[in-house]
Amino acid sequence: GAGVSQTPSNKVTEKGKYVELRCDPISGHTALYWYRQSLGQGPEFLIYFQGTGAADDSGLPNDRFFAVRPEGSVSTLKIQRTERGDSAVYLCASSLLAGGQMGQFFGPGTRLTVL
Amino acid sequence: GIQVEQSPPDLILQEGANSTLRCNFSDSVNNLQWFHQNPWGQLINLFYIPSGTKQNGRLSATTVATERYSLLYISSSQTTDSGVYFCAAGRNTPLVFGKGTRLSVIA
Repeated sequence: GAGVSQTPSNKVTEKGKYVELRCDPISGHTALYWYRQSLGQGPEFLIYFQGTGAADDSGLPNDRFFAVRPEGSVSTLKIQRTERGDSAVYLCASSLLAGGQMGQFFGPGTRLTVL
Repeated sequence: GIQVEQSPPDLILQEGANSTLRCNFSDSVNNLQWFHQNPWGQLINLFYIPSGTKQNGRLSATTVATERYSLLYISSSQTTDSGVYFCAAGRNTPLVFGKGTRLSVIA
């Protein structure tokens, strides 16, 4: 597709459940990023992939969060034992070059609500 | 890590007015971007501008890397310019975002 796509657009789950969020980057983009945006705040970095490997996962808040990108394209962010504090918009971005040079391009986000 | 500060936090303009949004960053960067987040939450790329000046229609941006700031200029503002404007910066790292400037353009 022409841009970054994310599914689902909205996800409502109950506390303690497991969720998966999917990101399809722009074709040919080697770098993929996950960010999280809480209400009234700017996006905050979670994890960055260069190809298939996680180049930087320092933003993941705890071990309930995990992400994969097995074939170097689509990525899945996985959250175990969800908590109400995980409610936020999860944004995915991709860039042509490593380190985000030439710019990062964002998808529409997945709004996660944990009840 | 890099810190990014934006000002002003809120701005109300009459349609047709001009405005300048500022972004200060704490360290040298090789990636700086300006985004507009529309009411539906989509982050729209405005400029990739780690240095220099660029213009796109009524919008222009200037980054003075040696002084660690960037400016976004909006001329002849329209109601559709309303939303939150984010500056984000990094150096071979994922972007660090400022808290944004919330712009309201009133007809």
